[in-house]
Amino acid sequence: SQQGEEDPQALSIQEGENATMNCSYKTSINNLQWYRQNSGRGLVHLILIRSNEREKHSGRLRVTLDTSKKSSSLLITASRAADTASYFCATDALGSGSRLTFGEGTQLTVNP
Amino acid sequence: GAVVSQHPSWVICKSGTSVKIECRSLDFQATTMFWYRQFPKQSLMLMATSNEGSKATYEQGVEKDKFLINHASLTLSTLTVTSAHPEDSSFYICSASPENHGELFFGEGSRLTVL
Repeated sequence: SQQGEEDPQALSIQEGENATMNCSYKTSINNLQWYRQNSGRGLVHLILIRSNEREKHSGRLRVTLDTSKKSSSLLITASRAADTASYFCATDALGSGSRLTFGEGTQLTVNP
Repeated sequence: GAVVSQHPSWVICKSGTSVKIECRSLDFQATTMFWYRQFPKQSLMLMATSNEGSKATYEQGVEKDKFLINHASLTLSTLTVTSAHPEDSSFYICSASPENHGELFFGEGSRLTVL
């Protein structure tokens, strides 16, 4: 299966700054999800946005979805050192039976 | 949220041996579970879809005889890496969802090291 692309691959910012990560995908989707992964750990679900939604908020997270451009962005506001992790987008393609295709991921480092 | 448990969290084995990894949904039933593999500093690659009561569906390039999947109950799927070799060393992660096209919950992963 084709993987989506994320940019940047790595992002290093100072605490308090905002972090924006982008994701592009190739197929029509049911939904798009963002996950966080601390080094060597499992994935933690952050937010799910459905194909008929354009924007969603959850705490310090803001996700946008542009199905015409097949892209999504994840914004983390007022970042904290504890936000340091890898962030992955994952798409649930139409007809895929809930099989997720993951993007390449963005390694976020928040410096205290 | 729903909880998915994996066991063991890490395992070291000798080349040629077989290793079984369990994935359990603790507070929901899952007719479908997914197995992923993740190499260092890379993304997750779907290996197979585990279907309760029927054969697993493998992704292209994944050897079904190498990676045996059994989904004998609605809360348990197992992945057996047969005749493991060093190149099978990886992080194996399972996931499941209480509903179709909903949030997927992931286990903590199992790190396999084959010597």
